[in-house]
Amino acid sequence: GAVVSQHPSWVICKSGTSVKIECRSLDFQATTMFWYRQFPKQSLMLMATSNEGSKATYEQGVEKDKFLINHASLTLSTLTVTSAHPEDSSFYICSARVPDSTDTQYFGPGTRLTVL
Amino acid sequence: SQQGEEDPQALSIQEGENATMNCSYKTSINNLQWYRQNSGRGLVHLILIRSNEREKHSGRLRVTLDTSKKSSSLLITASRAADTASYFCATDEKLTFGTGTRLTIIP
Repeated sequence: GAVVSQHPSWVICKSGTSVKIECRSLDFQATTMFWYRQFPKQSLMLMATSNEGSKATYEQGVEKDKFLINHASLTLSTLTVTSAHPEDSSFYICSARVPDSTDTQYFGPGTRLTVL
Repeated sequence: SQQGEEDPQALSIQEGENATMNCSYKTSINNLQWYRQNSGRGLVHLILIRSNEREKHSGRLRVTLDTSKKSSSLLITASRAADTASYFCATDEKLTFGTGTRLTIIP
């Protein structure tokens, strides 16, 4: 099946710093990638839809200036958490949709962000 | 608002038994997908069922879809300890997840 990687797998940072998370589709090209966050024992919440070569579409309540998304190539999307605060600590997961007719999304392993 | 809602929220069964989880959704769909998530890990795609399908099998997994009731079920037969995970359903392209069913298989 399709493989999606994320880097880093975990990161600890100080409050006020910015953190970049990478999401790569390893064996296919993804015109659309998705970013989710998940709090402990809760569901995944869609943050934004990342489209290659265009601006991301953010879900209601998600600050686009705080969560910067760049989808510069067909295999890479990045999420930058700017001026991170402890409440941004969460599990961030990306997914990529295989460009076929099934709408199947393949997920990365996630990035655990801890803001001190 | 959440599109997929799983039921029950938690389920514990003995190894070898069958596990059934249900999912309800609110709007019309093109397809419904089931995913598994091990603790602290990403999601693994299990199976996709289209709106014009009523049942689908994949190994020990059996998924049903009832569009009139806007519900789906996931059956895992002959459960194994490795099946311990959270299971989520999601619909269509813009996946919206419920809180999932936390399945625990007791050896």
